[in-house]
Amino acid sequence: AQRVTQPEKLLSVFKGAPVELKCNYSYSGSPELFWYVQYSRQRLQLLLRHISRESIKGFTADLNKGETSFHLKKPFAQEEDSAMYYCALSGLLGAGKSTFGDGTTLTVKP
Amino acid sequence: EAGVAQSPRYKIIEKRQSVAFWCNPISGHATLYWYQQILGQGPKLLIQFQNNGVVDDSQLPKDRFSAERLKGVDSTLKIQPAKLEDSAVYLCASSLDADKGGYTFGSGTRLTVV
Repeated sequence: AQRVTQPEKLLSVFKGAPVELKCNYSYSGSPELFWYVQYSRQRLQLLLRHISRESIKGFTADLNKGETSFHLKKPFAQEEDSAMYYCALSGLLGAGKSTFGDGTTLTVKP
Repeated sequence: EAGVAQSPRYKIIEKRQSVAFWCNPISGHATLYWYQQILGQGPKLLIQFQNNGVVDDSQLPKDRFSAERLKGVDSTLKIQPAKLEDSAVYLCASSLDADKGGYTFGSGTRLTVV
């Protein structure tokens, strides 16, 4: 079974501080991991995927298979990063369907 | 490119009534998903279509929920009869290639059952 856990419901940091949003997963095969973001009054949108190994809006995420984690990081948070962040897992056997965590609300204070 | 279109944006119904949601995916996207998002939780998959065929409907409460994707483009999701616990945001998403994941979501329909 696929499972995604985001242990923090709420996370608050000051502008310019580093931020890390945690994501742990459970899956027996080789997973594909994603981070989605939802800004206020906007639709849910894909932020980044682990296979791309890219940095989007200064965010990066590294898949750690040993710790079954896919934490999202940014060295210097900005106020516009305030949003809801969801981690999602797609297993190869699932043919694309994704299991989502319950999300972390990030607030970046000025 | 145009995004995933959903309608209506909001719907309020009484329990035991029926309701239908509509989704138009991005042109050319073969895979379409309906997700249910209850307040405070992440999206939960209800059904996945590949073109006009159902790939996965294992989480769909089939006694009251139904979905179709005629002609492999637009899709409708219906609830009949609705229960209070069906109050949620219903999200439609589409992707070009199901094997690679990564969706484009619609803005959702917020359903309130009273």
